[in-house]
Amino acid sequence: DVKVTQSSRYLVKRTGEKVFLECVQDMDHENMFWYRQDPGLGLRLIYFSYDVKMKEKGDIPEGYSVSREKKERFSLILESASTNQTSMYLCASSSLGQYTGELFFGEGSRLTVL
Amino acid sequence: QKEVEQNSGPLSVPEGAIASLNCTYSDRGSQSFFWYRQYSGKSPELIMSIYSNGDKEDGRFTAQLNKASQYVSLLIRDSQPSDSATYLCAVSGGGADGLTFGKGTHLIIQP
Repeated sequence: DVKVTQSSRYLVKRTGEKVFLECVQDMDHENMFWYRQDPGLGLRLIYFSYDVKMKEKGDIPEGYSVSREKKERFSLILESASTNQTSMYLCASSSLGQYTGELFFGEGSRLTVL
Repeated sequence: QKEVEQNSGPLSVPEGAIASLNCTYSDRGSQSFFWYRQYSGKSPELIMSIYSNGDKEDGRFTAQLNKASQYVSLLIRDSQPSDSATYLCAVSGGGADGLTFGKGTHLIIQP
């Protein structure tokens, strides 16, 4: 069964802390994505990557960075967490070509920044 | 900025009836269109994709695309209580640029 695994389901951090959210997929997918989901705002794309060591900004990259050192792993980094980054973070992956929009999502990481 | 618009609902439909969910998008160059279902507390899961004008059927689900009107719809026949969820419309330009999601329609199937 295909799987996208996010390392932490729930995190509580303090303002100013550095936060790492890890995502691993076992489908040999080229594309990986980080979204955040907030009530009333829906799903918004933070960053995506279509190859190892490649990254592209999405719609709301400010305050975030990413790392993709291996094909199966895509990390989201909050350099200095702020309260407005309290959210549900969803990682997703997809293959290239026609099926690039057919995303497989992880279970999500709910981050609370105090 | 690409936009995808959906009625937030809730949309209440009796069990066994047809549920009709609608979506409009702003980018006329969009190439690929998707419907995701999200149960409360869970992640979205893909239920339908459609890439060309017309209808696409998969079991009780039918996706309809009209590129001239920039309109996508999802019909759910013989609605079941287990169909109660939020349905997200998503649109892509066709490249590896990520999907733009609508905010979702909350569907309630009444037994």
